[in-house]
Amino acid sequence: GNSVTQMEGPVTLSEEAFLTINCTYTATGYPSLFWYVQYPGEGLQLLLKATKADDKGSNKGFEATYRKETTSFHLEKGSVQVSDSAVYFCALHASDGNNRLAFGKGNQVVVIP
Amino acid sequence: GAGVSQSPRYKVAKRGQDVALRCDPISGHVSLFWYQQALGQGPEFLTYFQNEAQLDKSGLPSDRFFAERPEGSVSTLKIQRTQQEDSAVYLCASSLYSGGAVYTQYFGPGTRLTVL
Repeated sequence: GNSVTQMEGPVTLSEEAFLTINCTYTATGYPSLFWYVQYPGEGLQLLLKATKADDKGSNKGFEATYRKETTSFHLEKGSVQVSDSAVYFCALHASDGNNRLAFGKGNQVVVIP
Repeated sequence: GAGVSQSPRYKVAKRGQDVALRCDPISGHVSLFWYQQALGQGPEFLTYFQNEAQLDKSGLPSDRFFAERPEGSVSTLKIQRTQQEDSAVYLCASSLYSGGAVYTQYFGPGTRLTVL
């Protein structure tokens, strides 16, 4: 079936540090890939997306590249801010006609001033 | 414009009670989804509507869970005879029609259900 795997555990880092959150997926065909973010007390918001291989999604300084050869969609940001503290979810939308999103478990990111 | 809204935001139920959770999607959005998010986990798909038609209910965990969208707009997720394992955040999302194309799903703030 379709599934998403995110790296284990929370991520704690200092302001202006480089952030990477790993995401790999299993899917048939050519899924679309997403990163959603959940700020404290708020709902899930779309951060960025990529719909085909080698596409790069970007928003608010975050980037992720759809790598079909490694089935990955890692999230990166060059210089994090305290306001980036949130939970980040990787998700896929399969191309098999199934309209659901399949989510990873999420990663809590804490940015310390 | 207005986003997806859900009510109530918080619900406490005694085991065995029935609950009803409401979702108001973004106006004009044809597709509506319900997800269940357990503590510390990612959302898990429950069911999907296209207008008033429930096209996929394969994620509903038991026959105690029932969803409807009678007029193709507001949706209600009903849980009968609640159990402690039903405690979770229930998320509603809506999107433009997604037949053959991928449209962004916009999420509501969720309803946190606690079953005592």
